[in-house]
Amino acid sequence: GENVEQHPSTLSVQEGDSAVIKCTYSDSASNYFPWYKQELGKRPQLIIDIRSNVGEKKDQRIAVTLNKTAKHFSLHITETQPEDSAVYFCAASIMGGNEKLTFGTGTRLTIIP
Amino acid sequence: DVKVTQSSRYLVKRTGEKVFLECVQDMDHENMFWYRQDPGLGLRLIYFSYDVKMKEKGDIPEGYSVSREKKERFSLILESASTNQTSMYLCAIRQGPNQPQHFGDGTRLSIL
Repeated sequence: GENVEQHPSTLSVQEGDSAVIKCTYSDSASNYFPWYKQELGKRPQLIIDIRSNVGEKKDQRIAVTLNKTAKHFSLHITETQPEDSAVYFCAASIMGGNEKLTFGTGTRLTIIP
Repeated sequence: DVKVTQSSRYLVKRTGEKVFLECVQDMDHENMFWYRQDPGLGLRLIYFSYDVKMKEKGDIPEGYSVSREKKERFSLILESASTNQTSMYLCAIRQGPNQPQHFGDGTRLSIL
């Protein structure tokens, strides 16, 4: 089955700096890669996703890049703010197949004011 | 707006008890999922369902079963609770083909 590895497990950045979280996946058939943000005590919420027919997607300060050849994808957050502090999860699945999501182990991002 | 409701935010049970966790959605979505979340392990899929009375095993189904008698309700059952099932349990729904999953608020279950 699919295996998703996520790094780093913890990340601290100064407010205003950029943060990058990286994930690799094992199943070359995976074609859908969402990112979820989970604030303390709250549900995971989808913040951005990308499908394998594109290499990059942006939404304001958040961007995701995908390298299908290397089987890795990354989340980029620019101009970080205190409210970006949370745990971030990447995931992979096969859209059009059973569409099971396999999650990474999470990255705890702390923004230092 | 997608609404996924889990019946309890916190639950404390004893070992050996049969435990029911309920998840209800209000939008007639076909696909529902149960995950458990543990520190350092991320979210792991227990069971999922594509439709009424249909169920599929996820990655860690041992010790669990599910029930989906009505489209809006997906129940996770711990047949005989054990301490290693102490965890956060999250229900999710998928709105349709090629759509993302959306989560409920979770149930933090403690087995004593």
